[in-house]
Amino acid sequence: EVHLLESGGGLVQPGGSLRLSCAASGFTFSSYAMSWVRQAPGKGLEWVSAISGSDSSTYYADSVKGRFTISRDNSKNTLNLQMNSLRDEDTALYYCAKGASTSSWYEGHWGQGTLVTVSS
Amino acid sequence: EIVLTQSPATLSLSPGERATLSCRAGQSVSSNLAWYQQKPGQAPRLLIYDASNRATGIPARFSGSGSGTDFTLTISSLEPEDFAVYYCQQRINWPLTFGGGTKVEIK
Repeated sequence: EVHLLESGGGLVQPGGSLRLSCAASGFTFSSYAMSWVRQAPGKGLEWVSAISGSDSSTYYADSVKGRFTISRDNSKNTLNLQMNSLRDEDTALYYCAKGASTSSWYEGHWGQGTLVTVSS
Repeated sequence: EIVLTQSPATLSLSPGERATLSCRAGQSVSSNLAWYQQKPGQAPRLLIYDASNRATGIPARFSGSGSGTDFTLTISSLEPEDFAVYYCQQRINWPLTFGGGTKVEIK
């Protein structure tokens, strides 16, 4: 069974940094693209970033480009999101998601999310 | 980036009725579109991928259609558990984008 467990969320001041992690199990992690999707309180879904399984190519939303860095450790089945220069508008529940298949960028499985609150 | 516009924002229907949700893309996404369902307090769930293919375990009452810029998610007969928010997502261009969502509520 696929299991994705996010961690690392919390309260941080504007301009601060936070590192999110997602521990994956139940599938061959290195074969799948992985993504981060966020949801501000009471709002819709916003795609944040993705990384391929094969060559670790990375992609970012314009709103986070240059501030966030996605990475993966295939030896530890872990996905990471380093978030720097955080802003109030980055406050959201951050979901880790797995590609629906080994060649898919659709989000086939989701974790339960970790909450990031940016506030002074 | 490709903007996805979903309509209506809210759909008020009764159990057993047919639901028709729309997603319009600002430019062609071919068939590279997915639909997700999200219930309160839960993570989203993939329903439909590549415009018309049901994901594993999704009931046959859910169907997707369309290509290019206009897409439809149809729920043939609403079950109590189908009242939720539905999002479309395109994957043809980076950055990937989601629509704003359609809430299907009980009338």
